[in-house]
Amino acid sequence: QTVVTQEPSFSVSPGGTVTLTCGLTSGSVSHSHYPSWYQQAPGQPPRTLISATNSRSSGVSNRFSGSILGNKAALTITGAQADDESDYYCLLYTSSGIWMFGGGTKLTVL
Amino acid sequence: EVQLLESGGGLVQPGGSLRLSCAASGLTLSTSGMTWVRQAPGKGLEWVSSISSSSDNTYYADSVKGRFTISRDHSESTLYLQMNSLRAEDTAVYYCAKRAGGVAAIEWGQGTLVTVSS
Repeated sequence: QTVVTQEPSFSVSPGGTVTLTCGLTSGSVSHSHYPSWYQQAPGQPPRTLISATNSRSSGVSNRFSGSILGNKAALTITGAQADDESDYYCLLYTSSGIWMFGGGTKLTVL
Repeated sequence: EVQLLESGGGLVQPGGSLRLSCAASGLTLSTSGMTWVRQAPGKGLEWVSSISSSSDNTYYADSVKGRFTISRDHSESTLYLQMNSLRAEDTAVYYCAKRAGGVAAIEWGQGTLVTVSS
């Protein structure tokens, strides 16, 4: 069965740029997977950052952007700030009304 | 502004049933696709079920298929998740979310905790 893959952890320096990726164990991610990205702080519900590859949700900083890079979906964070330290999840539409989350990436800003 | 408020969580014994509710405001539930997502303690997010906007087509993760049923009451603007034959591994915070086409979750509720334990 196809699994959605994400880096388990990533580290970025304050002010730096980081790109998190979201792939499939079988095949390539494309716009037809409607890749979405979510940020979740401890004890909080998820917050939608990006939907349908690159559509930024209302109120989300333009420091966050989504794209397709090679065979994966990507979330790029520029000018990293301390409060960007969170868990980040991607979500893909796989087929026939079935969606799958990636395992999440724990981002550390230090 | 879309607001989603889940309720109905609690402690239930293995094999038992529970019905979660999600009260929706700021949207027309009859024309909105909706989704349930869960998160086990200390674990990642898991897509559970979705319902389409107007055709009422329903979709389920393999882990809950045949045990959970998603539905909605248009007049009460409420989304439901009927959970039967509950197992310990169903223990999680359950979130309802507004769906937008191929994107399963756009707006999120605060979640309700379900604990399955004897």
